[in-house]
Amino acid sequence: DAGVTQSPTHLIKTRGQHVTLRCSPISGHKSVSWYQQVLGQGPQFIFQYYEKEERGRGNFPDRFSARQFPNYSSELNVNALLLGDSALYLCASSLTGESEQYFGPGTRLTVT
Amino acid sequence: GQQLNQSPQSMFIQEGEDVSMNCTSSSIFNTWLWYKQDPGEGPVLLIALYKAGELTSNGRLTAQFGITRKDSFLNISASIPSDVGIYFCAGRASGTYKYIFGTGTRLKVLA
Repeated sequence: DAGVTQSPTHLIKTRGQHVTLRCSPISGHKSVSWYQQVLGQGPQFIFQYYEKEERGRGNFPDRFSARQFPNYSSELNVNALLLGDSALYLCASSLTGESEQYFGPGTRLTVT
Repeated sequence: GQQLNQSPQSMFIQEGEDVSMNCTSSSIFNTWLWYKQDPGEGPVLLIALYKAGELTSNGRLTAQFGITRKDSFLNISASIPSDVGIYFCAGRASGTYKYIFGTGTRLKVLA
């Protein structure tokens, strides 16, 4: 079975631009969570979606937004990029959101 | 952002040795997860724990959910070179949906 997939793998953007990252969960999983991981730290929670509804939001500015589609795939959008947004963005898939989470390979975002 | 405290921060061990690491929180958690992450990749789930006192094994790995519900432990027996990587704990409190991750333990195995 396919695991969690994310696209693109790598991305380079300029300050002020907008970016959209995509995630497809494991088949049968209805929840997707997004995390930001900066170098040398553990992942930081950004959002969780379950059945297309936002169920939780971490301490991130409104420049960060997300949505989940009827097929349970998800997009993370970041507006007005800052240099500090450079990080590995991880998507995690789970059956319910409270159960164990399985991560994708991540999208490496570099903001110059 | 909020992170759990993991100890040790890093360790060098000889191949064949056993390894122990732990994770502590100031909050009570209902779920503990342990992950391994290789450079440039996503974390891989190793063990999930759902009950205080629970002891769960996955091959050479054994993890425990602390009875205070504020800590968890991971042991690796007879380490091998491919155990190299960063190990993260993650905890979830009752009534919340977000997992809080630890600061990580970087493991290096000397052949």
